[in-house]
This record gives sequence, structure tokens and C-alpha cells, in this order.
Amino acid sequence: QKEVEQDPGPLSVPEGAIVSLNCTYSNSAFQYFMWYRQYSRKGPELLMYTYSSGNKEDGRFTAQVDKSSKYISLFIRDSQPSDSATYLCAMGPGNQFYFGTGTSLTVIP
Amino acid sequence: GAVVSQHPSRVICKSGTSVKIECRSLDFQATTMFWYRQFPKQSLMLMATSNEGSKATYEQGVEKDKFLINHASLTLSTLTVTSAHPEDSSFYICSASLREGTDTQYFGPGTRLTVL
Repeated sequence: QKEVEQDPGPLSVPEGAIVSLNCTYSNSAFQYFMWYRQYSRKGPELLMYTYSSGNKEDGRFTAQVDKSSKYISLFIRDSQPSDSATYLCAMGPGNQFYFGTGTSLTVIP
Repeated sequence: GAVVSQHPSRVICKSGTSVKIECRSLDFQATTMFWYRQFPKQSLMLMATSNEGSKATYEQGVEKDKFLINHASLTLSTLTVTSAHPEDSSFYICSASLREGTDTQYFGPGTRLTVL
């Protein structure tokens, strides 16, 4: 079983839609949770960083962590064509991080 | 803040040659740097973790004699792919952490290596 599971998509939505991206994990020791955005042929860019459970909001992005369900989400409100990218979740106990395979998102104008 | 650069961004080389990739933290001192490779439409695969002034820790299955990592200072780590072969063609990405363990990683823009 993989440490982190993420649906690769692809996910295609119209501009302005709310996007929900998710990851599940199996290790209850994970405390640190991150979401990265990666454009084609570029390195990942940190979007959100959360410690333990709860919600975190930054502009149009909201990250949620539900440790009881071992489930994390990233919501994108009012999606824009510039949000089209691959979104990677990453998490770990602190001394090592595990990455999801990434979800490819396309926002159609 | 927390900017990481990589050089070169793209390199094409002949089979059998060695290629060096540099990773620099531009505005912070990185205690720990990580090297990943990424195949098309796949996630990041951690190759090794390096701490300044000490030997790199390689992940299982990664040949340390083939992928030489040097972390000479708190702002520079290098990855040398020795005697490169076509199967080494990939996207290599480094990341850096401000502190060991719990800190988040900031990624470089990646280096596209093509071995002919």
C-alpha cells in the first residue's frame, strides 16, 4: 500500500468552478501536510502548508486536514485558466515527506 | 523569500559523459537539501537527502556511485550524474529546507537531462 494516494485525474472544469482535490494516507504519524502546484516542465511551487488537523485559507485556496479520516483536501474557488497545472499533495511525520502522484487540472475558459 | 535555483535548466549530453547539476538556495541557508527525479506524468521520486558537510543519504535502489551528491555549503548542493546513459534521461529537481526534519521544502525549477 502506498503511503499517499492521490487520484491522477485528469480533472477538467469550467472557469469559475470550485475545484476539490484530495489525498488519502495511511500513516497516523503524519503531522505535516502540504500542497504544491507544478506547471509543465517546472519545479513544484508550495501553495499551502498545514500542521496537524484543521483548515487553512489563503486567497482562493483552502486546505483541509482530517486526521481522523486520514484525508486532506485542497479547494480552489473561482478557478482560473492560470490554475491549470498538476497539484501534488505531500505529507509526513516531520523527518521525511511522501508525495502523491499529482492531479492534473485544466480550467477551461 | 525561500527561492531555490537550479543550473542548468536543460542539458543534452552524449552517453558516457558526466553531468553536474547545481542547486542553490538564494535567500536562505538550507540545512538540508533533497534531490528528486520525476518521470513524465509521475510523482517525485526522492533520490537522496544531503546535509551540509556530511555524506548524502541515498534512497534504496539509487546508486550512490552513479549519482554523486556534494553539499559543500549551506547554500549549494550539486548532483553529478556520472557516465550518463539514455535511461538516466529525466527531470531532476532539488529542494531545500530551512531546518532539518519538520520544515517544509522549497523546490528549484528543475533540470531536464537528455542523454543521447
